[in-house]
Amino acid sequence: QSVLTQPPSVSGAPGQRVTISCTGSSSNLGAPFDVHWYQQVPGTAPKVLISGNTNRPSGVPDRFSGSKSGTSASLAISGLQAEDEADYYCQSYDNSLSAWVFGGGTKVTVL
Amino acid sequence: QVQLVQSGAAVMKTGASLRVSCKSSGYTFIDYSIHWVRQAPGQGLEWMGWIIPKSGDTHLAGKFQGRVTMTRDTSSSTVYMDLSGLNSDDSVVYYCARQGFWSSFDYWGQGTLVTVSS
Repeated sequence: QSVLTQPPSVSGAPGQRVTISCTGSSSNLGAPFDVHWYQQVPGTAPKVLISGNTNRPSGVPDRFSGSKSGTSASLAISGLQAEDEADYYCQSYDNSLSAWVFGGGTKVTVL
Repeated sequence: QVQLVQSGAAVMKTGASLRVSCKSSGYTFIDYSIHWVRQAPGQGLEWMGWIIPKSGDTHLAGKFQGRVTMTRDTSSSTVYMDLSGLNSDDSVVYYCARQGFWSSFDYWGQGTLVTVSS
C-alpha cells in the first residue's frame, strides 16, 4: 500500500484531456511538501515531468501541467497523444517516515 | 550534458552482497545529492536512500537500514550502493538519480537489473 494514492489506470482518446490524482496526508503533501511527477515508458528510466508542484523542466511539452491543494495533487495531460502512453508516478517527502515516497503509479492508455 | 551511468546487469547468489555503481558527469559532483530507487518487475518505484556527495552523509529508508551502505568517491564522481544478504525479493532494477533544484529527481541512471538465484 503506497503512502501516496493514485488510480491504477486512466484512459482517453487522442486529443482528449486526462487527469491523474495523487492523494496524500498531513505528513507529506499536506505538510506541505512539494509533489513531483514522473513519466516512465516501460523498460526505461523515469523522467521528471513536473517539479515543485507546477514547474515543467525544459523540454517537457506544455500539454503537461500540475497542481496541488492541501493533501492532494493532480497531473493533467491535455491534447493526449499516442506517445503519452506510459506509467506516471507522483512523489513527495514524508516527514513521519523521514523518507521520499512514491505513488503506486498510474498507467495511461491512449484509446 | 548531465549523465549518470550505472554498472551493468548482475546475477547474484542468494545471501551474497551486491555493489552497484553510479558515475556522474557533466556537473559538479559534490553539489547534488544522489538517491537510489528500485523497481520490481511490473511494480512501482521504491525509494531506498540518499547520499550527500560533499559530506558522505547518508540516510536510508527504514526497510534497508542494516542491509544497505552508500558511499562515494569524489575523485571519480562515483556513488556506490552496497546491498547485503540478497534474496529473491532483491531481483529488481536499481536506479540512481540526482536530486535537482526543485528537489525532484531530475536525472536518472539507465538502471541496473539484478537477478538473485540460489
